[in-house]
Amino acid sequence: AAGVIQSPRHLIKEKRETATLKCYPIPRHDTVYWYQQGPGQDPQFLISFYEKMQSDKGSIPDRFSAQQFSDYHSELNMSSLELGDSALYFCASSLTDTSGQYFGPGTRLTVT
Amino acid sequence: ELKVEQNPLFLSMQEGKNYTIYCNYSTTSDRLYWYRQDPGKSLESLFVLLSNGAVKQEGRLMASLDTKARLSTLHITAAVHDLSATYFCAVDLNSGYALNFGKGTSLLVTP
Repeated sequence: AAGVIQSPRHLIKEKRETATLKCYPIPRHDTVYWYQQGPGQDPQFLISFYEKMQSDKGSIPDRFSAQQFSDYHSELNMSSLELGDSALYFCASSLTDTSGQYFGPGTRLTVT
Repeated sequence: ELKVEQNPLFLSMQEGKNYTIYCNYSTTSDRLYWYRQDPGKSLESLFVLLSNGAVKQEGRLMASLDTKARLSTLHITAAVHDLSATYFCAVDLNSGYALNFGKGTSLLVTP
């Protein structure tokens, strides 16, 4: 079965640079979520989109923005990167009225 | 704010032994999930529990949900080394809502 696809899988950036993470949800899933997981931490919800509209917002810094496109893929844009942004970034997708979110393999972002 | 608490946070157990991980949450919800995560890897869905009294089993793992007590348990039977991983419970309020995770239980199964 098709899974959530994320790219790139690894990304190294310097402080103050920008980064763009991409997510391709499972086909026909209508909701996409972004989570950030720091080392040794639990995943923290950043933002979600339902049918290309922002549906919920968590602890996402103002330096970050995200959108979902007409083909349902989503991008997380991160600017003015800080050392503390180094983390695993997961995208997940789900289908309304079914339960459970399916997670992608994650993007490991390292800020130096 | 929905809070999810797991205990223990660290668990070292011998192969062949049984143990239970507990997950408490702070608000009314009948939707609870268990995930497994290997180091540096993604979150693998183990169980989806959607009603009071729900019980699901897969291999050596069994999960249950008591919505009145706001408690879920993940029971490990006759542990084997391959079960070593971090286990997270998570709660959401409804379909399409964010998952609120516990801190995770890091499980190490030793010979």
